[in-house]
Amino acid sequence: DQQVKQNSPSLSVQEGRISILNCDYTNSMFDYFLWYKKYPAEGPTFLISISSIKDKNEDGRFTVFLNKSAKHLSLHIVPSQPGDSAVYFCAAKTNAGKSTFGDGTTLTVKP
Amino acid sequence: KAGVTQTPRYLIKTRGQQVTLSCSPISGHRSVSWYQQTPGQGLQFLFEYFSETQRNKGNFPGRFSGRQFSNSRSEMNVSTLELGDSALYLCASSAGHLNTGELFFGEGSRLTVL
Repeated sequence: DQQVKQNSPSLSVQEGRISILNCDYTNSMFDYFLWYKKYPAEGPTFLISISSIKDKNEDGRFTVFLNKSAKHLSLHIVPSQPGDSAVYFCAAKTNAGKSTFGDGTTLTVKP
Repeated sequence: KAGVTQTPRYLIKTRGQQVTLSCSPISGHRSVSWYQQTPGQGLQFLFEYFSETQRNKGNFPGRFSGRQFSNSRSEMNVSTLELGDSALYLCASSAGHLNTGELFFGEGSRLTVL
């Protein structure tokens, strides 16, 4: 049973446009949701998080939206830059401290 | 502040052998988690250690084990290696408090089983 799902394995957008990455979850007990970015040959790095009691969190070009009723969250990147090309992982954490990751979405931003 | 360090970075083993991977967390971090990444499978949670105790465990067979030392450094061991164990093994550390859960990852140990 995959509790965190990223249904789009890849996404391609033009530089300057918006990138929207999606994530669905099934466990109502998750208390925090996080996005990580991973470049080849490197470990994932934390990007942005959102508490389950909020519906939006913004940090510069990155905004995460949480829709609890739909058990869905999304990451918006505006404007997208070629350096944003990477694999993006959605993760959800329980209050017991365990983080569950999605399979990742490969974002390609074309110049 | 030094990041998470994993050793070795690359290793090749044959079926039936065993392997030990090491992880040094960020100074002051007491929680260490291990993940397995295979192509198309995302990051699969192996286990988490906090103050030398296993706090969480994923759905991996008993061939996968780990431990944490008093200085928070952690090791994971895989015995009787199978071809399917070929993967990138990632270690992540965190302060361990019940907070946002932000994890700091190392660069990983890439294991190839022949």
